[in-house]
Amino acid sequence: AQTVTQSQPEMSVQEAETVTLSCTYDTSESDYYLFWYKQPPSRQMILVIRQEAYKQQNATENRFSVNFQKAAKSFSLKISDSQLGDAAMYFCAYRTAKYGNKLVFGAGTILRVKS
Amino acid sequence: GEEVAQTPKHLVRGEGQKAKLYCAPIKGHSYVFWYQQVLKNEFKFLISFQNENVFDETGMPKERFSAKCLPNSPCSLEIQATKLEDSAVYFCASSQSGSGRAFFGQGTRLTVV
Repeated sequence: AQTVTQSQPEMSVQEAETVTLSCTYDTSESDYYLFWYKQPPSRQMILVIRQEAYKQQNATENRFSVNFQKAAKSFSLKISDSQLGDAAMYFCAYRTAKYGNKLVFGAGTILRVKS
Repeated sequence: GEEVAQTPKHLVRGEGQKAKLYCAPIKGHSYVFWYQQVLKNEFKFLISFQNENVFDETGMPKERFSAKCLPNSPCSLEIQATKLEDSAVYFCASSQSGSGRAFFGQGTRLTVV
């Protein structure tokens, strides 16, 4: 079974500081995608960053970057220079074509940003 | 359209009543996925379509839930005889291909009272 684990229910960060959200997953597949989604109180699902498993290079999108450790099945999200607008629920998700490309989500991490 | 449109935004039903939710995928997208997000924020996959064909229905509680994607119509998710535990936000997502990026709608919040 494909599972995604986010072990931090809640994290806090000071504005302008850096925070890392953890995610681990379990799979026997070699070809898959990993994602981080942001869900603000509006409930809109916003794609933050995605990583293809076959790519060794870590994905980066402006202030957001990932640390993808394939052997360890770990996929953490680093947010640099945190802003008040980053406060939201963050979901790690996994997808593979073998299981119909449906997204399997972790339980989520609430990120609070302090001014 | 350039966004996934879900209607209605909010839906309130008495226990035992029927609920029907709609999703218009982005034009040109062949895949539609339905997810249920319960109040504890946990996401559950329900069903996916490739065009009008069911692609994967492993997450559907079949006794009360049904879904369709017919040509030239919004996709629909119907719940017969709703129960309190069906209260959740239901998200629809579409993608151009099975492996393409999934675009999410704004969700429909269903409250069963």
